[in-house]
Amino acid sequence: EAEVAQSPRYKITEKSQAVAFWCDPISGHATLYWYRQILGQGPELLVQFQDESVVDDSQLPKDRFSAERLKGVDSTLKIQPAELGDSAMYLCASSYQTGGPTGANVLTFGAGSRLTVL
Amino acid sequence: RKEVEQDPGPFNVPEGATVAFNCTYSNSASQSFFWYRQDCRKEPKLLMSVYSSGNEDGRFTAQLNRASQYISLLIRDSKLSDSATYLCVVRETDSWGKLQFGAGTQVVVTP
Repeated sequence: EAEVAQSPRYKITEKSQAVAFWCDPISGHATLYWYRQILGQGPELLVQFQDESVVDDSQLPKDRFSAERLKGVDSTLKIQPAELGDSAMYLCASSYQTGGPTGANVLTFGAGSRLTVL
Repeated sequence: RKEVEQDPGPFNVPEGATVAFNCTYSNSASQSFFWYRQDCRKEPKLLMSVYSSGNEDGRFTAQLNRASQYISLLIRDSKLSDSATYLCVVRETDSWGKLQFGAGTQVVVTP
């Protein structure tokens, strides 16, 4: 079964440091998502890519977070500087259909990157 | 008000029993609905889509009530392996079909 690859699985960092997460979606999936999930809450969309273009980053804290998907395949999410409140699971997901109004939007998630900021 | 709301539970269910729980959504124009399952410290996985007429997948039944703006999930003959958090997901009507996740309902099946 095809998987969404994420790394690192775990990251511990001190506040004010920079951290980066990497995601490789399922081959052929044009839509890629980064979600943040705080313990006890549901996933919150940070950014959505269609190929290499950002189509939704309305919830991305742009003063410290950045995301890119330069060649429309793998993607990197960066946080600089990290804050205590950034401690969470960062989930990458991909979808084989477009995110348009009638698309199916069936997401396959990666195993996630768990961030702890000290 | 949150766009997707769920009772966090936990719902403690004896093995073999039936459990049902709902999810309410605020956007009456929402078109697509899903249930995802998330095991502790794991990633969410699609359990089933929810169709207007209701649908079953084995022991799982999903229903949609547009008038009252809620969806439901019923699990029959609960198994220990059904213990998980069930996330309600609603697709928005924006151009890119943003998915809104609820906070999840925890189900604990006991022997």
